[in-house]
Amino acid sequence: GNSVTQMEGPVTLSEEAFLTINCTYTATGYPSLFWYVQYPGEGLQLLLKATKADDKGSNKGFEATYRKETTSFHLEKGSVQVSDSAVYFCALSDPSGDKLIFGTGTRLQVFP
Amino acid sequence: KAGVTQTPRYLIKTRGQQVTLSCSPISGHRSVSWYQQTPGQGLQFLFEYFSETQRNKGNFPGRFSGRQFSNSRSEMNVSTLELGDSALYLCASSSDPGQGLETQYFGPGTRLLVL
Repeated sequence: GNSVTQMEGPVTLSEEAFLTINCTYTATGYPSLFWYVQYPGEGLQLLLKATKADDKGSNKGFEATYRKETTSFHLEKGSVQVSDSAVYFCALSDPSGDKLIFGTGTRLQVFP
Repeated sequence: KAGVTQTPRYLIKTRGQQVTLSCSPISGHRSVSWYQQTPGQGLQFLFEYFSETQRNKGNFPGRFSGRQFSNSRSEMNVSTLELGDSALYLCASSSDPGQGLETQYFGPGTRLLVL
């Protein structure tokens, strides 16, 4: 079945550093791919999405490209801020398209 | 427009008890999904309701059940609680499941601790 594998955290960076959080997936068909962010004490917020191969999702300086050949959807940001400290979840749509399958999450800690 | 609300936010129960969690979707949304978040298993889909009918169900035992009311509010129930049921339970709502998963909005969750 469909599954998502994320790099384990925590990822610890200094402010303005470059961020990469790796995400790879296993899927039948052509799922949509998502990144969600969870700030402390809050629910999940959709950060960005991509619905087909080579699509690039972007939002708030974050980007991720749907790579079918490497089955990856790595999250990147050129210059992180302290306010980006959160847990990031990679997810894909299951074959029915009705529910999300999540990775285990990666905690990002950014220090000034 | 108010977001998805979940009550209670925190709950402590003991093994063997049962618990009911509530989710009020965004006004006008008719689809409600539930997810369980644990450190070991991450986020796992429990079930989805649309127009008072369960449309999808994840791989959870029958102790986990849910329902949806005519006003789209949803409840989930866990009977005979086990220590492993300690988790953050997240609810997500969308206007119509056919509009894509990116239209789901998540609530802040109910944190359940089973002692």
